[in-house]
Amino acid sequence: AQSVAQPEDQVNVAEGNPLTVKCTYSVSGNPYLFWYVQYPNRGLQFLLKYITGDNLVKGSYGFEAEFNKSQTSFHLKKPSALVSDSALYFCAVRNSFSSGSARQLTFGSGTQLTVLP
Amino acid sequence: GAVVSQHPSWVICKSGTSVKIECRSLDFQATTMFWYRQFPKQSLMLMATSNEGSKATYEQGVEKDKFLINHASLTLSTLTVTSAHPEDSSFYICSARGIKDQYEQYFGPGTRLTVT
Repeated sequence: AQSVAQPEDQVNVAEGNPLTVKCTYSVSGNPYLFWYVQYPNRGLQFLLKYITGDNLVKGSYGFEAEFNKSQTSFHLKKPSALVSDSALYFCAVRNSFSSGSARQLTFGSGTQLTVLP
Repeated sequence: GAVVSQHPSWVICKSGTSVKIECRSLDFQATTMFWYRQFPKQSLMLMATSNEGSKATYEQGVEKDKFLINHASLTLSTLTVTSAHPEDSSFYICSARGIKDQYEQYFGPGTRLTVT
């Protein structure tokens, strides 16, 4: 079974400071990893994904994430946080071996990011 | 591109009534659609997966007779909550995957259901 852990329920950071939202995963085989952001009463917006290739992935709104296979981690980072980045962030994983309709995403519990002005 | 819409965005219904939520892929054909449920400040819980023209596959613990899912076309899936009860109040999110999408799932904006 695959799983995702987001160890921090809440992350607070001052505007302009770098931010990190942590994610570790467990999956059989090669992982496909994703980060999504959710604003209040809204659906999920895609930020970035890792499928293969360069371990450092750049995504929307200046976010990036680094795939670390040995540590089974995929932490989300941004060099300089904005107040508008305040939202709920979800890490997700699925198994590259899955096929057909069974290619399901497993989500972490989410991390509430608050950027303080 | 790859826009998924949901209707309604919020609905209030009385206990015992049924509510239908629509999920549409606006600019692509969705061979697979997923329905999630999300409680406040919690993660998304997959309820069921549906392929166009086939019966939905429900996750363990999800009552298929209570949460009816229909995926009649490549652009529309519906979730009907039958005989709704207050404990069914939640945020329901659909997601769609297209024919050519090996990796991506596109999410709808969600529907807030409140059962009184």
